[in-house]
Amino acid sequence: KAGVTQTPRYLIKTRGQQVTLSCSPISGHRSVSWYQQTPGQGLQFLFEYFSETQRNKGNFPGRFSGRQFSNSRSEMNVSTLELGDSALYLCASSEGRRITEAFFGQGTRLTVV
Amino acid sequence: GQNIDQPTEMTATEGAIVQINCTYQTSGFNGLFWYQQHAGEAPTFLSYNVLDGLEEKGRFSSFLSRSKGYSYLLLKELQMKDSASYLCAVIGGGTASKLTFGTGTRLQVTL
Repeated sequence: KAGVTQTPRYLIKTRGQQVTLSCSPISGHRSVSWYQQTPGQGLQFLFEYFSETQRNKGNFPGRFSGRQFSNSRSEMNVSTLELGDSALYLCASSEGRRITEAFFGQGTRLTVV
Repeated sequence: GQNIDQPTEMTATEGAIVQINCTYQTSGFNGLFWYQQHAGEAPTFLSYNVLDGLEEKGRFSSFLSRSKGYSYLLLKELQMKDSASYLCAVIGGGTASKLTFGTGTRLQVTL
């Protein structure tokens, strides 16, 4: 069974630009969560989607948004990039409504210059 | 809100046993996770506890006490490859799907 796939693995963007990251969950998994990881803050929850609906949202500004498609693939978008958005963005895949296991992808390393 | 505390760093010797503690405060507790993360890599799922007690999985065991808001991860027969960060995460606050992570414990295994 293939794992969680995130693309791209690395990105360099300029301040003010926008970026879209993609996550394909494990086959059969319907929940996708997104996290931002920085050295100072650790793993911070962005949002979680289940069957195309956003179920939970973290404390991030509205520049951070996401969506989930009918095949459970998810995208997150960050608009008007700031230097502080430089981070590793991780998505986690889970099977059902209640999360008892969550498997992470390799992440997308975003650098904003 | 939720609060999770773990020691920042620990050092242990190859072949030894190490216990990494995690204390948490949350309402509506729905489970506690442990992850291992090597530098530059994604977190790897280790365990999930929702009921009190010890769960054993090979060299790794995880314990939970809900009344004390306390968990630990026990690593036996330490190997050099166990050098990594260990992340404690809690699902709570009335949700069944939002993980809140601690800042992680960096474990260094030495010869």
